[in-house]
Amino acid sequence: EAGVAQSPRYKIIEKRQSVAFWCNPISGHATLYWYQQILGQGPKLLIQFQNNGVVDDSQLPKDRFSAERLKGVDSTLKIQPAKLEDSAVYLCASSLQGGGNTGELFFGEGSRLTVL
Amino acid sequence: AQSVTQPDIHITVSEGASLELRCNYSYGATPYLFWYVQSPGQGLQLLLKYFSGDTLVQGIKGFEAEFKRSQSSFNLRKPSVHWSDAAEYFCAVGAGRSNYQLIWGAGTKLIIKP
Repeated sequence: EAGVAQSPRYKIIEKRQSVAFWCNPISGHATLYWYQQILGQGPKLLIQFQNNGVVDDSQLPKDRFSAERLKGVDSTLKIQPAKLEDSAVYLCASSLQGGGNTGELFFGEGSRLTVL
Repeated sequence: AQSVTQPDIHITVSEGASLELRCNYSYGATPYLFWYVQSPGQGLQLLLKYFSGDTLVQGIKGFEAEFKRSQSSFNLRKPSVHWSDAAEYFCAVGAGRSNYQLIWGAGTKLIIKP
């Protein structure tokens, strides 16, 4: 079974530039999450999708971050314009939906962003 | 507000020695508790979880954890560590309308001495 795929693995940009990250979840997983993990901290949830609808985006800085999951499968997270404090690893995760959910999230390897 | 505290930023253990990583949580209801491991350059992988029932739970790679409601703790243990256990370990508690919306601790980095 293929895992959660993310790209790119690494990205270096200058502040005020834009960047986009892509995630393809495990087949059949209805729930998709984007997390931000700053060095030395635990992951912070940015946005959670159920199919192609947003469940929670309360911690997404909407003035510069956007995310979409148009067909309920893969997802894109965009940052525009980037700030120095956006330097982090962006983790995508997926899980099964509803009552069958065991609480287990399956994570991709992450996309490491460095903003100079 | 829900929170998770992992008091130890780093822990160094000799190979073959026992391990205990501490996790304390703050949550108003019965929590769903998780331990995840993150190896260098890798995503997070679930080690074990507690939802209900037996308070001692077994996980993968020889890890176990014990839920102690009176102490609001969910400490992770392993009787004998291997060099391959060197990684960062995260404790998380299920929160929100769906209990799999997780609140994460800051992590404990495990260093193994040869």
